[in-house]
Amino acid sequence: RKEVEQDPGPFNVPEGATVAFNCTYSNSASQSFFWYRQDCRKEPKLLMSVYSSGNEDGRFTAQLNRASQYISLLIRDSKLSDSATYLCVVTGPYGQNFVFGPGTRLSVLP
Amino acid sequence: DAGVTQSPTHLIKTRGQQVTLRCSPKSGHDTVSWYQQALGQGPQFIFQYYEEEERQRGNFPDRFSGHQFPNYSSELNVNALLLGDSALYLCASSMLTDPSTDTQYFGPGTRLTVL
Repeated sequence: RKEVEQDPGPFNVPEGATVAFNCTYSNSASQSFFWYRQDCRKEPKLLMSVYSSGNEDGRFTAQLNRASQYISLLIRDSKLSDSATYLCVVTGPYGQNFVFGPGTRLSVLP
Repeated sequence: DAGVTQSPTHLIKTRGQQVTLRCSPKSGHDTVSWYQQALGQGPQFIFQYYEEEERQRGNFPDRFSGHQFPNYSSELNVNALLLGDSALYLCASSMLTDPSTDTQYFGPGTRLTVL
């Protein structure tokens, strides 16, 4: 089993749609969790950290369920500019290295 | 405030050659991590440097080595290049001495092509 798994995608949605991405991780000792966004041929950029209490940043909401080892990202009112690959990231028990999922590609269509 | 910088942006090498990639971390950061990202996959952790020493290493062969300098900049060296080493090499910086955050910030990457 891979350390971090994500929905395989791609997701093709119309503008204004709500889309949800799921991610599971295998190491129960993982300490920190993030969603990164990566545009084509660019570097990953931090979208948001994920906390146990859940957190929201504008149209984006992230949830963490430690018991189920599950992370989610919800995007409301999708914009064309949201088109990118979304990478789920967890850290090891000491927060040293990042373990990335394979990414889920989102295309928001006009 | 300068972000993470990497050089060169692109590189073409042939099998068996050696390559050195360079990274300067974000101002105020003391830790550098290197990742390899093959096409269509998520980045894979190579190793991390702090205080000029390798702190942790991923599942990469000894052909991959690195170095960190007193100014926190870092180099990634790959010897005896294979076709499979073709990838985007990403450098990320963070601040290990600040436990309140372990967010990593990525440079634009070096795209290596091995022919």
